[in-house]
Amino acid sequence: AQKVTQAQTEISVVEKEDVTLDCVYETRDTTYYLFWYKQPPSGELVFLIRRNSFDEQNEISGRYSWNFQKSTSSFNFTITASQVVDSAVYFCALSEAQRAGSYQLTFGKGTKLSVIP
Amino acid sequence: DTGVSQDPRHKITKRGQNVTFRCDPISEHNRLYWYRQTLGQGPEFLTYFQNEAQLEKSRLLSDRFSAERPKGSFSTLEIQRTEQGDSAMYLCASSSPSRSSYEQYFGPGTRLTVT
Repeated sequence: AQKVTQAQTEISVVEKEDVTLDCVYETRDTTYYLFWYKQPPSGELVFLIRRNSFDEQNEISGRYSWNFQKSTSSFNFTITASQVVDSAVYFCALSEAQRAGSYQLTFGKGTKLSVIP
Repeated sequence: DTGVSQDPRHKITKRGQNVTFRCDPISEHNRLYWYRQTLGQGPEFLTYFQNEAQLEKSRLLSDRFSAERPKGSFSTLEIQRTEQGDSAMYLCASSSPSRSSYEQYFGPGTRLTVT
């Protein structure tokens, strides 16, 4: 069975600080996909990134970077020089190919990030 | 390119009533998902459509829940005889048949309150 653990329930940082959100996953499949979504106070889930299990390259997009390590089953997310607009709940998610081909997402419980001005 | 839309955004109903939610996916997205999110939790998968066929249902989807996707376009999720435990945010997501089909794009959700 697949499982995603986000051990940090809430994090508060002062603006311009760097912050890392942790994600640990469990799966028996060798092919799987990892995701990060952002859920601002408005409630809509915003897709941030997808990573394939066979691609361990880290990725950087502006102030965002992701560190994927299969050896530790982790897919951590770092925000550099945080801004107030980064305040949101961030979800890590995992999908595997299902028999019906659904690729349904299994989410962690989320980490609420508060960036204080 | 319009995103996923859901209607209504909020629904308050009394216990025992039936409710129906609608989801319009991104055009040409053939995969459609329903999830439920309760307070302080991540979304949980409910059901999946590929075109008009409902191919997967979660055990969370009791027999009071039914979903349809006629003609493979919009989808509806109906809850019969609502219970207070049904209070949650119901999220719809869609994905394309292209190589990025693993990426799901979510609508704004329908927040259901059962009193």
